[in-house]
Amino acid sequence: QKEVEQNSGPLSVPEGAIASLNCTYSDRGSQSFFWYRQYSGKSPELIMFIYSNGDKEDGRFTAQLNKASQYVSLLIRDSQPSDSATYLCAVNAAGSGGSNYKLTFGKGTLLTVNP
Amino acid sequence: DAGVIQSPRHEVTEMGQEVTLRCKPISGHDYLFWYRQTMMRGLELLIYFNNNVPIDDSGMPEDRFSAKMPNASFSTLKIQPSEPRDSAVYFCASSSTGLAGSYEQYFGPGTRLTVT
Repeated sequence: QKEVEQNSGPLSVPEGAIASLNCTYSDRGSQSFFWYRQYSGKSPELIMFIYSNGDKEDGRFTAQLNKASQYVSLLIRDSQPSDSATYLCAVNAAGSGGSNYKLTFGKGTLLTVNP
Repeated sequence: DAGVIQSPRHEVTEMGQEVTLRCKPISGHDYLFWYRQTMMRGLELLIYFNNNVPIDDSGMPEDRFSAKMPNASFSTLKIQPSEPRDSAVYFCASSSTGLAGSYEQYFGPGTRLTVT
């Protein structure tokens, strides 16, 4: 059973702080990792993807991947109240003979940024 | 682009009734996914299609669930008979081969299903 684990939160940070969201996965063959953001009552939207060990930066967002530790994280710098949402970690099954398109999602971490 | 379109947005039905959810993917996308989201289980992939062909239906919970994609612009997810435990938000998503390697999935607004 492939699993993706996230701390459900809620994670509360003050405006301007760094928010750190973490995710672990069980399938060592996983190759691609995604962070989706979901506002309350809305659908998920992709904000970052990462395939290689190390860091990947996009604006205020940085994804970090450590395949040896089976760990992926998302850092949000200068957090804004508009970042308040649930963040879903997703992992694909490509390394296990599966498809790049078949994703397993974690249950998400609720982030609240306080003004 | 209109994005992924789902209908209905809300559905309330009684146990035992047939429920049909509909999805129109983004034009030109060749992958279509059906997900179910609940507080208890999170977001789960039910089935996905590539070029209208079902590729993996291992997430379909039981025989009461069926999905079809008769053409590139339309898919249905049917539950017959429906049960209260089927209450959830059902999302349809689509994607396209070669989206700059991102494999990004674009989600529709979802259908909130309540079975009483």
